[in-house]
Amino acid sequence: DAKTTQPTSMDCAEGRAANLPCNHSTISGNEYVYWYRQIHSQGPQYIIHGLKNNETNEMASLIITEDRKSSTLILPHATLRDTAVYYCIFSNFGNEKLTFGTGTRLTIIP
Amino acid sequence: DVKVTQSSRYLVKRTGEKVFLECVQDMDHENMFWYRQDPGLGLRLIYFSYDVKMKEKGDIPEGYSVSREKKERFSLILESASTNQTSMYLCASSLGGQGGNTIYFGEGSWLTVV
Repeated sequence: DAKTTQPTSMDCAEGRAANLPCNHSTISGNEYVYWYRQIHSQGPQYIIHGLKNNETNEMASLIITEDRKSSTLILPHATLRDTAVYYCIFSNFGNEKLTFGTGTRLTIIP
Repeated sequence: DVKVTQSSRYLVKRTGEKVFLECVQDMDHENMFWYRQDPGLGLRLIYFSYDVKMKEKGDIPEGYSVSREKKERFSLILESASTNQTSMYLCASSLGGQGGNTIYFGEGSWLTVV
């Protein structure tokens, strides 16, 4: 099965940009990269997803390398509410099953 | 906004009981999913459905069954609950089709089997 690799934990100062890396060297050409986050005891919250182009929405930006083997989620101005576990995930083409790893625990420091 | 609603937030059941976890989505999505989440193991897919009355096993289907009689509702059934099924259960849904759609999750159901 395709796997993602993320750092176990990261810290970021409040107000700075948080850059969360993800390696996915085994991704297939038709698999999308998704990012979710989860705050304790709640369901995962969708952030952003992309196939090969960079994407931006009101929450974050997603930068995917040209070879698609890695990506970076950028939270432009981190706030304390952004403290959560962030998951980088593939979807299986056509049926959108998601395979979750253990994610990155991001802590925003005041 | 899409809403995925799980009927029970917290449940406590006895070993051997039959347990039903209900999930309803309000956006006419084709795909629905049941996951469980355990510390250190992340989210694992139990079953998914891509249409009414259709179902496929995920990675850990043993001890579970599902039912999808209506498009908006996807039920997870524990035929005979056991203590190793104590977990947080998450339902999700997506539009379906060729992929690349947003997958929406419910708030989760915390099940304790005693």
